[in-house]
Amino acid sequence: DAMVIQNPRYQVTQFGKPVTLSCSQTLNHNVMYWYQQKSSQAPKLLFHYYDKDFNNEADTPDNFQSRRPNTSFCFLDIRSPGLGDAAMYLCATSGILAKNIQYFGAGTRLSVL
Amino acid sequence: GQNIDQPTEMTATEGAIVQINCTYQTSGFNGLFWYQQHAGEAPTFLSYNVLDGLEEKGRFSSFLSRSKGYSYLLLKELQMKDSASYLCAVITRGGYQKVTFGTGTKLQVIP
Repeated sequence: DAMVIQNPRYQVTQFGKPVTLSCSQTLNHNVMYWYQQKSSQAPKLLFHYYDKDFNNEADTPDNFQSRRPNTSFCFLDIRSPGLGDAAMYLCATSGILAKNIQYFGAGTRLSVL
Repeated sequence: GQNIDQPTEMTATEGAIVQINCTYQTSGFNGLFWYQQHAGEAPTFLSYNVLDGLEEKGRFSSFLSRSKGYSYLLLKELQMKDSASYLCAVITRGGYQKVTFGTGTKLQVIP
C-alpha cells in the first residue's frame, strides 16, 4: 500500500492559472518536503515542514506556496504557473525514528500550456 | 554549500558488476543516501551510510569514506530492470537534516 500519496499523477494547467498539488502520508512522519525535478536533473528542494514549522529554501520563487493543515496532508500551491514551472513535483516524508530516510510519493507531473 | 559529483551515464552488461561513484564537498556532513529512480517515477530508497565502511543489502552494497568525501554504490548480478538513474544524496546537519541530491547516474544494462 502506498504510504505517500500524491494527487493527481498528471496535472495540466494554463499559463497563469493557479494550481494546487496534494500529498498525503500514512507514516505519521513529522517532516514533509516538496521537490521540483526537471528532466535529467536532481530533485530540487522547494520547502519543507518540520511539524507545523515552515522552512522555505532561499531560492524558491514566491510563486510557490505551501500549506500543511495537519500531520497527514501537505499542499503545494503555484499561484501563477509559467512555462518554466513544468516539471515533476515530488512529495517526500521523513521521521526521526526512521533514520530520516526520505520516502517519496509517485510524483505529480505538471504541464503548463 | 554542497557539491556532489557523479558520472552522468554508465553502461554495463546483464549479469556483471557495476560501481557508481559519488564524491562530495560539504559542511556538516551527517550521512549519505543512495536512491534508485526509474524514468518518470519517484526515487526509491536503496541504502544509507553514516559511518565509514561497506553496507551490504542483497545485490546492492554501498561504501562510504568520510575522510575522502567519497561513496560508491555497487550493483552485482545486474538485471535489465536495474536500468535506472542512481542518485547520491548527502545529509547535512541543521535545524533538521537537509538532504541534497546529486544529478544522478543513468545506468543502462544491456544484454
